[in-house]
Amino acid sequence: KAGVTQTPRYLIKTRGQQVTLSCSPISGHRSVSWYQQTPGQGLQFLFEYFSETQRNKGNFPGRFSGRQFSNSRSEMNVSTLELGDSALYLCASSATSTSQETQYFGPGTRLLVL
Amino acid sequence: GENVEQHPSTLSVQEGDSAVIKCTYSDSASNYFPWYKQELGKGPQLIIDIRSNVGEKKDQRIAVTLNKTAKHFSLHITETQPEDSAVYFCAASRGGGADGLTFGKGTHLIIQP
Repeated sequence: KAGVTQTPRYLIKTRGQQVTLSCSPISGHRSVSWYQQTPGQGLQFLFEYFSETQRNKGNFPGRFSGRQFSNSRSEMNVSTLELGDSALYLCASSATSTSQETQYFGPGTRLLVL
Repeated sequence: GENVEQHPSTLSVQEGDSAVIKCTYSDSASNYFPWYKQELGKGPQLIIDIRSNVGEKKDQRIAVTLNKTAKHFSLHITETQPEDSAVYFCAASRGGGADGLTFGKGTHLIIQP
């Protein structure tokens, strides 16, 4: 089985712009979670989608949003980019929505905001 | 919310020796505790996990122990090899719903030849 794929792998944006990141889960997985990884804050949960519905959201401002499509692929969007949004954005997929299910991570999208 | 503390932040051991990484959590409702290994330029990879109804779990050179009373869990790697060098993260989750994983800040494990 192919693993979790994320596109693009690297992205450079300027402050004020918006960005959309994409994640394709492992085939058959219906749950997709997004995490932000920075040297200072570590790995932080953004949100989770299951069957096209956002099930839970971490402590991030409304500029961070996401969606899931009927084929379980997911996108996350960050509007009005700030310098502090520079990070590695990781997507993880699992078969179901219970957080006791193993989450498999993709390689991440590294976003640099200038 | 849940808070996970991880120690040490850096651990250097001689090849062949054992390595132990410890984590504590704050939410007594947490019942799922995975460990991830992250190599440079890659996403975290699950290496072992434990659920609250189990006190210890082993997989070849890797073992995890859980003490629910004290709210701490540990990762043990025996007979360390150069390929074990990476950053290791512990995490905790309440389960039963989609509340995400709360991660520790990570341990940079260095295997000295």
